Amino acid sequence: SQQGEEDPQALSIQEGENATMNCSYKTSINNLQWYRQNSGRGLVHLILIRSNEREKHSGRLRVTLDTSKKSSSLLITASRAADTASYFCATDRDQGGKLIFGQGTELSVKP
Amino acid sequence: SAVISQKPSRDICQRGTSLTIQCQVDSQVTMMFWYRQQPGQSLTLIATANQGSEATYESGFVIDKFPISRPNLTFSTLTVSNMSPEDSSIYLCSALESSYNEQFFGPGTRLTVL
Repeated sequence: SQQGEEDPQALSIQEGENATMNCSYKTSINNLQWYRQNSGRGLVHLILIRSNEREKHSGRLRVTLDTSKKSSSLLITASRAADTASYFCATDRDQGGKLIFGQGTELSVKP
Repeated sequence: SAVISQKPSRDICQRGTSLTIQCQVDSQVTMMFWYRQQPGQSLTLIATANQGSEATYESGFVIDKFPISRPNLTFSTLTVSNMSPEDSSIYLCSALESSYNEQFFGPGTRLTVL
């Protein structure tokens, strides 16, 4: 069953703008991971944030986690046309590796 | 990070036939998984591929339809049996790096069943 819900479902911005995507989940988690998928291809791992972490950075990416609200956000700063893709969050409840994915946000960055 | 390859990358098959998808990881990993992504949808876990024993299937997926093998710590196969058009999906394998709990995915196999 799908645990995560993401919003917005679709987001269209201009190059150079920031993009924020949100993910909510229903049960307690061990960690949350964000992935990017280009045009129905494989998933690219972006970042993992553990349940005891609140914020994490990687290059132009910033991820936050609020376990009290069961939500996470992914911020992409200074977006580029190459960032156009679908972005998914996935939660791992018990370190067993069984990921439950959100529905994804389709990001379009216009040059 | 683990590098994962899958074969074939895509295939078009006739209904009633079977297709075996191969997944190769460039390093030994503890856990491997198979996911399905139906058109326009998110990913759903099919099963955990257990090394040397039977796979563990999620609700809604059965061994007769999706037999899985994992003969060693770097390789797994998923067979989609007796295919129907409803099986048209992207099938992805993944590997868990236990030291960091990061899970990496292969490039996927895009299956179309006519």
